[in-house]
Amino acid sequence: EAQLVESGGGLVKPGGSLRLSCAASGFTFSSYTMNWVRQAPGKGLEWVSSISSTSNYIYYADSVKGRFTISRDNAKNSLYLQMNSLRAEDTAVYYCARVRYDLKYMDVWGKGTTVTVSS
Amino acid sequence: QTVVTQEPSFSVSPGGTVTLTCGLTSGSVSTSYYPSWYQQTPGQAPRTLIYSTNTRSSGVPDRFSGSILGNKAALTITGAQADDESDYYCMLYMGSGNWVFGGGTKLTVL
Repeated sequence: EAQLVESGGGLVKPGGSLRLSCAASGFTFSSYTMNWVRQAPGKGLEWVSSISSTSNYIYYADSVKGRFTISRDNAKNSLYLQMNSLRAEDTAVYYCARVRYDLKYMDVWGKGTTVTVSS
Repeated sequence: QTVVTQEPSFSVSPGGTVTLTCGLTSGSVSTSYYPSWYQQTPGQAPRTLIYSTNTRSSGVPDRFSGSILGNKAALTITGAQADDESDYYCMLYMGSGNWVFGGGTKLTVL
């Protein structure tokens, strides 16, 4: 069974940095595009970033462009999100999700990790 | 900037039918946007319901169906049950590796 487990969330001060990880199991990680999606408290889902299977194609939402960096290590079956210059509005639950790029949807979701940006 | 629109809230009686919609502030939703739908209950991760407009994800009951209605994508729940009370999000693929979610619809079954 395909599974995704996020980690690395926590409390960080505005302007600080945090690195999220997502460990994949139960499927051939290197064959899939992966996404990060976040959800601020009481708000809706927001697509954050996408990385293709070989890291050749990387995309970001305008809200995080220039501050966040997505990466992956296919040998370790792991996805990462380096978050710099964090702002209060980045406070959210961050989910990693597997993408069926041929059909343009997310079919497997992790349970999420919580990031709180506060002084 | 184009925004994906959804009804903020909807209510349906048990056993009833409800259709939630997903539109654009500019233009029409078509199959080219690969509309997909996700269900989320409080404190839980999203669950994939529908992809490519009208294909049910594995294990999703057939009371959930997707379509294009006019210029919007639509999610119809036929024979609503109490545990269908959730938040529902549509998502559109905007091209160039970008996706956009709608604001979500809070469905109440009462």
